[in-house]
Amino acid sequence: AQKVTQAQTEISVVEKEDVTLDCVYETRDTTYYLFWYKQPPSGELVFLIRRNSFDEQNEISGRYSWNFQKSTSSFNFTITASQVVDSAVYFCAPDAGNNRKLIWGLGTSLAVNP
Amino acid sequence: DAGVTQSPTHLIKTRGQQVTLRCSPISGHKSVSWYQQVLGQGPQFIFQYYEKEERGRGNFPDRFSARQFPNYSSELNVNALLLGDSALYLCASSLAPLSGGNTEAFFGQGTRLTVV
Repeated sequence: AQKVTQAQTEISVVEKEDVTLDCVYETRDTTYYLFWYKQPPSGELVFLIRRNSFDEQNEISGRYSWNFQKSTSSFNFTITASQVVDSAVYFCAPDAGNNRKLIWGLGTSLAVNP
Repeated sequence: DAGVTQSPTHLIKTRGQQVTLRCSPISGHKSVSWYQQVLGQGPQFIFQYYEKEERGRGNFPDRFSARQFPNYSSELNVNALLLGDSALYLCASSLAPLSGGNTEAFFGQGTRLTVV
């Protein structure tokens, strides 16, 4: 069975600090995709990034970057120079199962204070 | 361009009643998925539809049903409501079924259902 763990329930930082959100995905699958979504107070889930299990190359997109290490099942997401508008709940969501549905962690609530 | 729209945004129902939630996907998207998000938890998959056919079903009782129309909009029905059905119901729109990570899903703002 697959298991998604987001160990950090709440994080509070001051604006302009860098912040890393942790995610561990345990699975026996060799092929899978990993997504990060952001959920601001409005409730809408906003797609952020998608990575596949074949590619462990870390990437940067604007203020976002991610570090995927298949050997440790970790898929961490970093926001550089955080802003107040980054305050939201962040979900790690692997694509798993025959239905290819997303399964979700419990989320990490990020508060960026001015 | 309109995003995923869901209606209503908020709803209050009494135990035992039935409810219908509606979702209009992004124009051109043929797949709709429904998720239930209880406060403080991640979304839980309920259904996925593609081209009007059910493509996936989560671990929810038969009180939950859904359908997709020729225009790709979708309805989620819940019968015999329980207090535990109180949640944010999210609709996700995608070009194709979420398969192999080839597509990402775009979510609506959700319908907040309160059962009293």
